Amino acid sequence: NAGVTQTPKFRVLKTGQSMTLLCAQDMNHEYMYWYRQDPGMGLRLIHYSVGEGTTAKGEVPDGYNVSRLKKQNFLLGLESAAPSQTSVYFCASSPKETQYFGPGTRLLVL
Amino acid sequence: AQSVTQLDSQVPVFEEAPVELRCNYSSSVSVYLFWYVQYPNQGLQLLLKYLSGSTLVKGINGFEAEFNKSQTSFHLRKPSVHISDTAEYFCAVRNNFNKFYFGSGTKLNVKP
Repeated sequence: NAGVTQTPKFRVLKTGQSMTLLCAQDMNHEYMYWYRQDPGMGLRLIHYSVGEGTTAKGEVPDGYNVSRLKKQNFLLGLESAAPSQTSVYFCASSPKETQYFGPGTRLLVL
Repeated sequence: AQSVTQLDSQVPVFEEAPVELRCNYSSSVSVYLFWYVQYPNQGLQLLLKYLSGSTLVKGINGFEAEFNKSQTSFHLRKPSVHISDTAEYFCAVRNNFNKFYFGSGTKLNVKP
């Protein structure tokens, strides 16, 4: 099992550009999450999904969109990147009780 | 919404000394509590979890935590730390809808 994987590992964007972060899990988990991690703020939930075809907003959803067309994949999109979206993004999946995290994606928006 | 407070942003400690990392959560009917560790440039790994049963929970790497309902706390402890324990530690709480709320993290710095 690869567990939870994230693509890409690192990306630099210019303000206004768009991109998609991919999260994949091979554990058949129902729940998937996208977080951003900023210094001194812990992890903040952006969006999450309770199953294939479903998505819901978390604490900080503005500027992001998500899709869960397949159970194993959870995509995070930035339509028009802003410097405030410079962060480390973590994906997680969960069967119910415990979350399993990916290695993270570092995003720098100039 | 649930909230988690980690009062100490940084904890310096000497090797082989004991350590306690504090975590308090907002009260709720059902409480599921977790501690995660994050080593530099890595994702989060589960250290231990409390779902029900014994209030003293043992985790990996010699860590343990005690659930205290009256004080709404879930402090993490280790009797003797190693250099390799240097990392950031996050406390988290899960609600009945499988949403997780994280504290702001505590950086443990173990000095030789």
